Amino acid sequence: AQSVSQHNHHVILSEAASLELGCNYSYGGTVNLFWYVQYPGQHLQLLLKYFSGDPLVKGIKGFEAEFIKSKFSFNLRKPSVQWSDTAEYFCAVKGRRYGGSQGNLIFGKGTKLSVKP
Amino acid sequence: NAGVMQNPRHLVRRRGQEARLRCSPMKGHSHVYWYRQLPEEGLKFMVYLQKENIIDESGMPKERFSAEFPKEGPSILRIQQVVRGDSAAYFCASSPFRDRVVLSDTEAFFGQGTRLTVV
Repeated sequence: AQSVSQHNHHVILSEAASLELGCNYSYGGTVNLFWYVQYPGQHLQLLLKYFSGDPLVKGIKGFEAEFIKSKFSFNLRKPSVQWSDTAEYFCAVKGRRYGGSQGNLIFGKGTKLSVKP
Repeated sequence: NAGVMQNPRHLVRRRGQEARLRCSPMKGHSHVYWYRQLPEEGLKFMVYLQKENIIDESGMPKERFSAEFPKEGPSILRIQQVVRGDSAAYFCASSPFRDRVVLSDTEAFFGQGTRLTVV
């Protein structure tokens, strides 16, 4: 069965600090990987996604993530955070299937990021 | 192109009542997912539906919960005889149907959620 682990429950940073949020997944086959962000009181929005190709993926708002297949990891990074990045971040995995229905999206428990001005 | 629409945004029910949560997918999307977000627990998959068809309901509680996605109209998540533990945010997501060869290369678009409070 697929599962996703996000190592940090709550991360507190000062503005301009660098960010790395860990995400590990378990799945026996090929996966698509996603990071979603949920700003306070809002719905989930896609930050970035990896389907294939270059394992270093660039998303919106200066975020990037690197897929390391050997480590089953897809960590999210940002060189310099801003106060407006305060939100909850979710890593998600979808197993790729061929010739059948789509797999469902499995989420990690989320990491709350608080950025102090 | 309107996004995924969920209503109501907030729903208050007394214990024992029924809750009906609606989700209208994005135009052209024929796949709907329901997720529940409990405090400190992140998002949990509940059910995945296509029009008139439940594909995967492995995350649905065995009792009191049901979901449908009729040919016409929104998807409905129905919770009968609600209890306090059902209080949560319920999110719906939709994604398009593409070719049958590679069906996972699509992202899901989320609605703003329905916050259910059981009093």
